[in-house]
Amino acid sequence: GIQVEQSPPDLILQEGANSTLRCNFSDSVNNLQWFHQNPWGQLINLFYIPSGTKQNGRLSATTVATERYSLLYISSSQTTDSGVYFCAVERGGSARQLTFGSGTQLTVLP
Amino acid sequence: NAGVMQNPRHLVRRRGQEARLRCSPMKGHSHVYWYRQLPEEGLKFMVYLQKENIIDESGMPKERFSAEFPKEGPSILRIQQVVRGDSAAYFCASSPKRDFGYTFGSGTRLTVV
Repeated sequence: GIQVEQSPPDLILQEGANSTLRCNFSDSVNNLQWFHQNPWGQLINLFYIPSGTKQNGRLSATTVATERYSLLYISSSQTTDSGVYFCAVERGGSARQLTFGSGTQLTVLP
Repeated sequence: NAGVMQNPRHLVRRRGQEARLRCSPMKGHSHVYWYRQLPEEGLKFMVYLQKENIIDESGMPKERFSAEFPKEGPSILRIQQVVRGDSAAYFCASSPKRDFGYTFGSGTRLTVV
């Protein structure tokens, strides 16, 4: 199956700092999404981004499908950004399954 | 738009009991998916359903687990004779059609004691 690797596994930031999270995947995909799992366990959809660049407030994401990676940028981080960030991909074809990476655990300190 | 609704949020069952987890997809979404997050692990696909049909159940354990999405009402994930290893967070997601992003619910945390 498709492999999804996220880096770094853990990240500790001071409030106000910027960060970049990376997601590499091993095969072509027709869907890529970034999720934030907050400390209460809720899974929040951040971006649906199989290719290109999107921005939403302090967050933006870029997927370069031909090179099989995606980046999530967090600017001016806040303590509420803490949690685990997951990248998930879906291959083309008939299967309709997301394969999740192991996540980046982000801690933003006040 | 109420989003994907899952209930209950927390469920405690004794070993051997049955667990029923419910998922109401977003309005206008006819595709439902179940994922499981075991402790210290990522989310893993379980099953993909459309109304009255199971499309892909390749991620479902072969025994004790079943899922349905009836014509009327929510999708149900049913676990019979639960064991401690079933303790996990179960997430439901929905999408309006195939080539579209997923929206996840808040999950049901099942604890088997």
